[in-house]
Amino acid sequence: QSALTQPASVSGSPGQSITISCTGTSSDVGSYNLVSWYQQDPGKAPKLMIYEGTKRPSGVSNRFSGSKSGNTASLTISGLQAEDEADYYCCSYAGVGTLLFGGGTKLTVL
Amino acid sequence: QVQLQESGPGLVKPSETLSLTCAVSGYSISSGYYWGWIRQPPGKGLEWIGTIYHSGSTYYNPSLKSRVTISVDTSKNQFSLKLSSVTAADTAVYYCTRIKSDSYGFDYWGQGTLVTVSS
Repeated sequence: QSALTQPASVSGSPGQSITISCTGTSSDVGSYNLVSWYQQDPGKAPKLMIYEGTKRPSGVSNRFSGSKSGNTASLTISGLQAEDEADYYCCSYAGVGTLLFGGGTKLTVL
Repeated sequence: QVQLQESGPGLVKPSETLSLTCAVSGYSISSGYYWGWIRQPPGKGLEWIGTIYHSGSTYYNPSLKSRVTISVDTSKNQFSLKLSSVTAADTAVYYCTRIKSDSYGFDYWGQGTLVTVSS
């Protein structure tokens, strides 16, 4: 199993939209609608932002949305705010009870 | 409110066994959901270690499988991690988590505990 591929960094200005990609294979992202996304502030535990590819837990802003095409899942943040600056990780079910994380993406709000 | 709290030694010697416990409050482990461990080496990304289902079935990261054991103690409402033959590469913040059984989303996390492997 190899980690899912995410860009190391993305940036955007307040009010803009950004998208973070998460590329896997036909054995993980491509086979299951079980991708989740996490936001992690420095020194804090990650927070679930999206699960099952597109669903938002209660309390998560609707500015966060998820999608998938083939072996690539994506997280889009619209109306970017300074508080969105954080590290973001994707995670996919990979069969037989196993899970795979992406390498993480640092989001900078300019 | 569901809360998870990791506990265990912060320093482990090379070749020894790392042992951590996660105490769960606000929810009964035996009622459902899955439970798991994730780690994060300093300055690096997240790595899934393993999961235990409420049925008792366990699933481990293939890269760690030979060294990992996850178990649950329903009487104490807690679950545990053991990682044997540790090296400096096992130095990390270790998180315990609750996992949504229908989606594999990690919906509740402990605050994390730093375990350093050093003599």
